[in-house]
Amino acid sequence: DGGITQSPKYLFRKEGQNVTLSCEQNLNHDAMYWYRQDPGQGLRLIYYSQIVNDFQKGDIAEGYSVSREKKESFPLTVTSAQKNPTAFYLCASSIDRGQGADTQYFGPGTRLTVL
Amino acid sequence: GDSVTQMEGPVTLSEEAFLTINCTYTATGYPSLFWYVQYPGEGLQLLLKATKADDKGSNKGFEATYRKETTSFHLEKGSVQVSDSAVYFCALVGGSQGNLIFGKGTKLSVKP
Repeated sequence: DGGITQSPKYLFRKEGQNVTLSCEQNLNHDAMYWYRQDPGQGLRLIYYSQIVNDFQKGDIAEGYSVSREKKESFPLTVTSAQKNPTAFYLCASSIDRGQGADTQYFGPGTRLTVL
Repeated sequence: GDSVTQMEGPVTLSEEAFLTINCTYTATGYPSLFWYVQYPGEGLQLLLKATKADDKGSNKGFEATYRKETTSFHLEKGSVQVSDSAVYFCALVGGSQGNLIFGKGTKLSVKP
């Protein structure tokens, strides 16, 4: 089955630690995205990538970093510089950033809690 | 900048009741409009979309019509079921980077 997988489902981090969230897709999509979701708020875009070895900052990139070394993978690192990292993180992909860019397919999410 | 405003929840309905969730938008031009649904503990799924004025998107008994005169894209369903309990997000493609811009979401609870 084609889809997007995220791991782990739950992640606990101590203050001052960096953590990396995994996102993998087998949909052969060019574009991938990372969102953050907080209670009572919509999704906010952290980073996106249109193609391998290229990525762009979204609205709330500070304290986060990404890489896109393979088409299938778009890991997100939450660094110690992120002041309030406790949130639900969602990864998504779309065919490309052109006509098909608007229909995004989402993974099941990772819930990060800072202890 | 571009934005989406949804009615605040939570919305609680009895099974078989009529559902309306209001969504209005502010945008330059005529963006594509979407409704996504998020079931408890899961990611988002595309529910329906409309790409131009007067288009009606529909799926699983849900409908929404792109109204440019009122800049609205209200979600409706004639008879809700308990399984429709979820959070619903209205969204558009816009902004300087052409990304999805989401409303804050409306939580729907359907009681048997």
